[in-house]
Amino acid sequence: ELKVEQNPLFLSMQEGKNYTIYCNYSTTSDRLYWYRQDPGKSLESLFVLLSNGAVKQEGRLMASLDTKARLSTLHITAAVHDLSATYFCAVGSQETSGSRLTFGEGTQLTVNP
Amino acid sequence: DSGVTQTPKHLITATGQRVTLRCSPRSGDLSVYWYQQSLDQGLQFLIHYYNGEERAKGNILERFSAQQFPDLHSELNLSSLELGDSALYFCASSIAGTFEQYFGPGTRLTVT
Repeated sequence: ELKVEQNPLFLSMQEGKNYTIYCNYSTTSDRLYWYRQDPGKSLESLFVLLSNGAVKQEGRLMASLDTKARLSTLHITAAVHDLSATYFCAVGSQETSGSRLTFGEGTQLTVNP
Repeated sequence: DSGVTQTPKHLITATGQRVTLRCSPRSGDLSVYWYQQSLDQGLQFLIHYYNGEERAKGNILERFSAQQFPDLHSELNLSSLELGDSALYFCASSIAGTFEQYFGPGTRLTVT
């Protein structure tokens, strides 16, 4: 059974600081997704990583994928308050005729002024 | 706005009752997925439909069932509701199974 683990689960940062969220998964996959969720809201797609070594950047967020290590990272640069949210990584699995996303527990990020 | 719509937004019902949650995928998307988000279980995959056919099943309870209609909208039926079924239920859609999934706004179900 595929397991996806994120750490840390809770992250309190000061504005302007850098930090990295880690996502480890237990079986081979080359499809890794990062989502953002604000309290009580839906999941907003941030990044789709589809190959080993993939790196994508959007604003202060950068995501990377190492399929050999079964590890993805979400790096936050010079955090601002607007980045406060819960961030989920999800691993895509293709089955015989269908597919699914298996999510990590989520990292609750709070950026303090 | 992802283009995926879900109704209703909120639903409050009693134990033992049955409810139906509805989802309309983005225009052109043939795949619909259902996920449950609860405090104790996190985000869990329930079921995947592609063009009207069930394609993958997760930890979906026998009391729950789903279908996808010819117009591609999907319904998730939850019956004999228990307190533990209280959760946010999300629908997502994608062009096909291997593509990015876009999530709807969710239906918050409260069972009292």
